[in-house]
Amino acid sequence: NAGVTQTPKFRILKIGQSMTLQCTQDMNHNYMYWYRQDPGMGLKLIYYSVGAGITDKGEVPNGYNVSRSTTEDFPLRLELAAPSQTSVYFCASSPFNTGELFFGEGSRLTVL
Amino acid sequence: AQSVAQPEDQVNVAEGNPLTVKCTYSVSGNPYLFWYVQYPNRGLQFLLKYITGDNLVKGSYGFEAEFNKSQTSFHLKKPSALVSDSALYFCAVRDGGKSTFGDGTTLTVKP
Repeated sequence: NAGVTQTPKFRILKIGQSMTLQCTQDMNHNYMYWYRQDPGMGLKLIYYSVGAGITDKGEVPNGYNVSRSTTEDFPLRLELAAPSQTSVYFCASSPFNTGELFFGEGSRLTVL
Repeated sequence: AQSVAQPEDQVNVAEGNPLTVKCTYSVSGNPYLFWYVQYPNRGLQFLLKYITGDNLVKGSYGFEAEFNKSQTSFHLKKPSALVSDSALYFCAVRDGGKSTFGDGTTLTVKP
């Protein structure tokens, strides 16, 4: 039972480069989320989706884009990477709007 | 807008003693409240939740939480702490399909 799978686990980017963080879940959950975790700052919501074809901004969407073409996949795109995007990124899913979140293991991104 | 506050960055307890990790919340509608635990270099794991019903909620690994509407609090508790409980704990409130997290409390249980 894979749950929520994120790739890559680690990545180093140069300033101005772009990349996509992949997230897939095999639990048929409608709700999916991307959070970033900075030291001592808790988790901040970047984007979320309530179902295939529907996405919405969270607290800190600038510099990121998402798409949700299938129920399973919710990739996060970083355009023109900046040092401020150095963080640990977590993808999560939930079966309904009052349910608990199921998290991936995280993707540690460093922008130099 | 919803918000969560965890007033303590760090909580230290001795093994075998009771522990409490504090959380207060602000939400306009019904509060859906959660606790999660994070071990080093891992994702968050769900511990317990309050949706409705009894104010005392029991969860995984012997943890429980008490919902107090008048004080807008949802404190995490355990009667007897274990060294293995040492981790980072997050309180969260869910509203409109989105979850807002507190900044986390590091729990250290010393032998």
